[in-house]
Amino acid sequence: GQQLNQSPQSMFIQEGEDVSMNCTSSSIFNTWLWYKQEPGEGPVLLIALYKAGELTSNGRLTAQFGITRKDSFLNISASIPSDVGIYFCAGQLRETSGSRLTFGEGTQLTVNP
Amino acid sequence: NAGVTQTPKFRILKIGQSMTLQCAQDMNHNYMYWYRQDPGMGLKLIYYSVGAGITDKGEVPNGYNVSRSTTEDFPLRLELAAPSQTSVYFCASRGTDSSYEQYFGPGTRLTVT
Repeated sequence: GQQLNQSPQSMFIQEGEDVSMNCTSSSIFNTWLWYKQEPGEGPVLLIALYKAGELTSNGRLTAQFGITRKDSFLNISASIPSDVGIYFCAGQLRETSGSRLTFGEGTQLTVNP
Repeated sequence: NAGVTQTPKFRILKIGQSMTLQCAQDMNHNYMYWYRQDPGMGLKLIYYSVGAGITDKGEVPNGYNVSRSTTEDFPLRLELAAPSQTSVYFCASRGTDSSYEQYFGPGTRLTVT
């Protein structure tokens, strides 16, 4: 099946540092979504992107829809301990039945106080 | 609104037993999805539904069945449970507007021994 390559797999940072992660694919996506999952919980939607080149912020989080439509980036500024979790990208391919999403493998973020 | 609810939260099954994972949403969403998440991995689509009475297979449907008799409910049935079905199961839903944002339930952690 279609794959999204998400990197890095894990990050260990100090509180206050900025974080960057990305997803890439060989296919073109219509939509990019970024989710955060905390231990024992379901994924929670952070940011949704619908246009190539779009840059959207949600508090300290900023995500971009790549110009080629094959990638997306998520940045977290001035990290805090509650940013800990797994961050997933998800994309919706053109002409996918049922509006199905393809998920990346996730980036595990650890923030040291 | 409760959003997407799932029951049970945890379950242990013996090999060969069967069970039904319940999922309900109160947002009047037409689209519903079942995913499984194995440790350290992303989400794999099992089955999805675009409306009451309509279901279709995702990436990993073997060993599972679904039904969608109402808009609100989308149960997932496991027949003849196997250790390979040990996983965390998430249900999600989305509306029929132009966004592709899926909203997730809290998950069911299933262990088959």
